[in-house]
Amino acid sequence: DADVTQTPRNRITKTGKRIMLECSQTKGHDRMYWYRQDPGLGLRLIYYSFDVKDINKGEISDGYSVSRQAQAKFSLSLESAIPNQTALYFCATSDWRDHEQFFGPGTRLTVL
Amino acid sequence: AQSVTQLGSHVSVSEGALVLLRCNYSSSVPPYLFWYVQYPNQGLQLLLKYTSAATLVKGINGFEAEFKKSETSFHLTKPSAHMSDAAEYFCAVSDTGANSKLTFGKGITLSVRP
Repeated sequence: DADVTQTPRNRITKTGKRIMLECSQTKGHDRMYWYRQDPGLGLRLIYYSFDVKDINKGEISDGYSVSRQAQAKFSLSLESAIPNQTALYFCATSDWRDHEQFFGPGTRLTVL
Repeated sequence: AQSVTQLGSHVSVSEGALVLLRCNYSSSVPPYLFWYVQYPNQGLQLLLKYTSAATLVKGINGFEAEFKKSETSFHLTKPSAHMSDAAEYFCAVSDTGANSKLTFGKGITLSVRP
């Protein structure tokens, strides 16, 4: 079984809809991250959490919110989706002792 | 602030040829450095990492990278390309502090010609 899972894997939604992307991990890591990937722009950090009670904005947090429901779960929400939020979204985890991050398989989101 | 430069967006090599993917970083102190690979329709997978031990780092699938402080570089190489190496490659940098985060380059797509 995969260590970092993301649901859904693909989602098509309409402008103005609220959508939630979910991430779960079985690695026992305390740190979790949400990134978006756009062609030619690499990965950009949206939000990150170093433990259950810690939430931090990343480089591009506008239009997004997150919830850390438990050590193993970190959700990303788009309160009112817009077309330029169409992208590939990745969740990642890391241990506090190591800077290596482990990635989920990604969620491809299309906002029409 | 940390930054990473990956020059060019696409590299094409013949099967069996040398692979060289360049990465330069900007950091006031020697950072931790990473190369990740993304195969089509998959997440990112760690190829190798430099964390202040040996400057020549060997990774999976025959890849290696050398940390050169004087050049602020961490270029990725493989002596002989294989068709299965076709993917997107990302260089990432992190400072060594406990609460540091990764900063990614824009990525390079590697194509391998038969």
